Amino acid sequence: KAGVTQTPRYLIKTRGQQVTLSCSPISGHRSVSWYQQTPGQGLQFLFEYFSETQRNKGNFPGRFSGRQFSNSRSEMNVSTLELGDSALYLCASSWTSGRRNEQFFGPGTRLTVL
Amino acid sequence: AQRVTQPEKLLSVFKGAPVELKCNYSYSGSPELFWYVQYSRQRLQLLLRHISRESIKGFTADLNKGETSFHLKKPFAQEEDSAMYYCALLPGGGGNKLTFGTGTQLKVEL
Repeated sequence: KAGVTQTPRYLIKTRGQQVTLSCSPISGHRSVSWYQQTPGQGLQFLFEYFSETQRNKGNFPGRFSGRQFSNSRSEMNVSTLELGDSALYLCASSWTSGRRNEQFFGPGTRLTVL
Repeated sequence: AQRVTQPEKLLSVFKGAPVELKCNYSYSGSPELFWYVQYSRQRLQLLLRHISRESIKGFTADLNKGETSFHLKKPFAQEEDSAMYYCALLPGGGGNKLTFGTGTQLKVEL
């Protein structure tokens, strides 16, 4: 079974631009969650999508948005990039949403904002 | 709001020595607790969860609700245990919103 895949693996953008990251979950998984990892703040939850609906949202500004497609693939978008958005963005998939479900993480997308 | 605290950024032990990675949490309800591990150049992966009450790779963790702790223990450290370990909490109420601690880098020296 293929693991969670994320594209692209690396991105360099400049301030003010926008970016879209993609996550393909494990086949059959319907929940996709996104996390931001930085040296200063660690791993922070961005949002979760389950069956194309946002299920949970973390404490991030509205510049961060996401969506999920009918095949469970998910994208996250960051508009008007700031230097502080430089981070490793991880997505995780699980069969369903809630307790007793293991989340499987992807390798991440490294975003650098110049 | 929930919080997970891992007081040690780095823990260095000798091979064969016991290991204890500390994790404390604050949450008003009944959480589910996890330990995730990230080996060098690998993705984050689940090590164990408190509801399973099992030993994985020799590691165990007991949820102590009185002390709000979920420390990870192993009686004899191995070189291959060197990795970054994250404690994480999943609150009640549904969803997959994990709150992570800041992580502890375990270094096992020969």
